Amino acid sequence: GQSLEQPSEVTAVEGAIVQINCTYQTSGFYGLSWYQQHDGGAPTFLSYNALDGLEETGRFSSFLSRSDSYGYLLLQELQMKDSASYFCAVKVGGSQGNLIFGKGTKLSVKP
Amino acid sequence: GAVVSQHPSWVICKSGTSVKIECRSLDFQATTMFWYRQFPKQSLMLMATSNEGSKATYEQGVEKDKFLINHASLTLSTLTVTSAHPEDSSFYICSARALAGAKDTQYFGPGTRLTVL
Repeated sequence: GQSLEQPSEVTAVEGAIVQINCTYQTSGFYGLSWYQQHDGGAPTFLSYNALDGLEETGRFSSFLSRSDSYGYLLLQELQMKDSASYFCAVKVGGSQGNLIFGKGTKLSVKP
Repeated sequence: GAVVSQHPSWVICKSGTSVKIECRSLDFQATTMFWYRQFPKQSLMLMATSNEGSKATYEQGVEKDKFLINHASLTLSTLTVTSAHPEDSSFYICSARALAGAKDTQYFGPGTRLTVL
């Protein structure tokens, strides 16, 4: 079957750096995405990795190692507004495939 | 950036009634839209994949006769929850696939919170 593992909760302080890990066991892996979801809101796309390595977008970076079935989301210079749930999602079945979501990591940023 | 809207944003209905939720891609054409359900503090569970002009593909365990999906155009997909029951109360989210260069990204609507009394 398909499974994704990520920590359920992470707490950090403003200005800090936090890394949210995601390991996966899937068949037909095509790429790894990260989404942010605030309470009561819809998920918003953060990043996508199809190849090994680091993708940087502003304060957020995402890393993928296909050989290790592992990726992470790195958030730098944390701000209070970054408090949200973060989901890793694996795309399976090719470029037109579906997303399988992890259970999400609730990030709490403290002052 | 790509915008997806959903209507209504919330709905309360009586048990046994049907509810229709609309999902629109506002500034791009989406050949594929997805419908998810999310229970409180849970992950998003894919219900079905909706392709314009063809029948939807349902995930295992999702009743196609209960959750009717119609993808009438490249910018509109609808989900109808038929004969709704309290256990159908959930947050329903649609997403639309947009191709931006080599990247294939799903853009999510704001969600519809359904409460069945």
